[in-house]
Amino acid sequence: EVQLVESGGGLVQPGGSLRLSCAASGFTFSSYWMSWVRQAPGKGLEWVANIKEDGREKYYVDSVKGRFTVSRDNAKNSLYLQMDSLRAEDTAVYYCARKVGLGLPFDYWGQGSLVTVSS
Amino acid sequence: DIQLTQSPSFLSASVGDRVTIACRASQDIDSYLAWYQQKPGKAPKLLIYTASTLQSGVPSRFSGSGSGTEFTLTISSLQPEDFATYYCQQLHSYPPGFGGGTKVEIK
Repeated sequence: EVQLVESGGGLVQPGGSLRLSCAASGFTFSSYWMSWVRQAPGKGLEWVANIKEDGREKYYVDSVKGRFTVSRDNAKNSLYLQMDSLRAEDTAVYYCARKVGLGLPFDYWGQGSLVTVSS
Repeated sequence: DIQLTQSPSFLSASVGDRVTIACRASQDIDSYLAWYQQKPGKAPKLLIYTASTLQSGVPSRFSGSGSGTEFTLTISSLQPEDFATYYCQQLHSYPPGFGGGTKVEIK
């Protein structure tokens, strides 16, 4: 059974940093692109970042470029999102998701991890 | 960036109704469109991809159609468990954005 479990969320002050983790199981992690998608309270879905199977290609939404870094450790079946210079508008539930393939969507999602940026 | 406009943003329907949700892309995305269902407090669930391919395990009352810039998600006979918010997503080019969502509520 495919499972994605996020951790690392919490309350952080504006300008602070947080690192989210996503532990994957039930599939060959190193064979899939992985993604982060977020959802602000009461709002819609926003794609945040993608990372290729080997970690050599990464893509970000403009609003997080230069502040967020996606990475993965295939030996540990884990995906990460390092979030720096956090802003109030980054407050959201962050989901990790498995991407089926090029031009294809996210077929499995984690339960989400809430990040709250507030003083 | 490609913009996706969903309509309506809210609809009220009864069990057994046929429901259609539209998604319009700001430019041609071929068939690179997916549909998700999200219930409160839960992660989104993939329903349909490449505009009309039903994800494994999704009931056949869900169907998708369209290509280019106009797409639709149809629920042939609304069931109690279908009351949720539905999102379209384009996967033609970066960023792979989502539509604003359509909330389907009980009439």
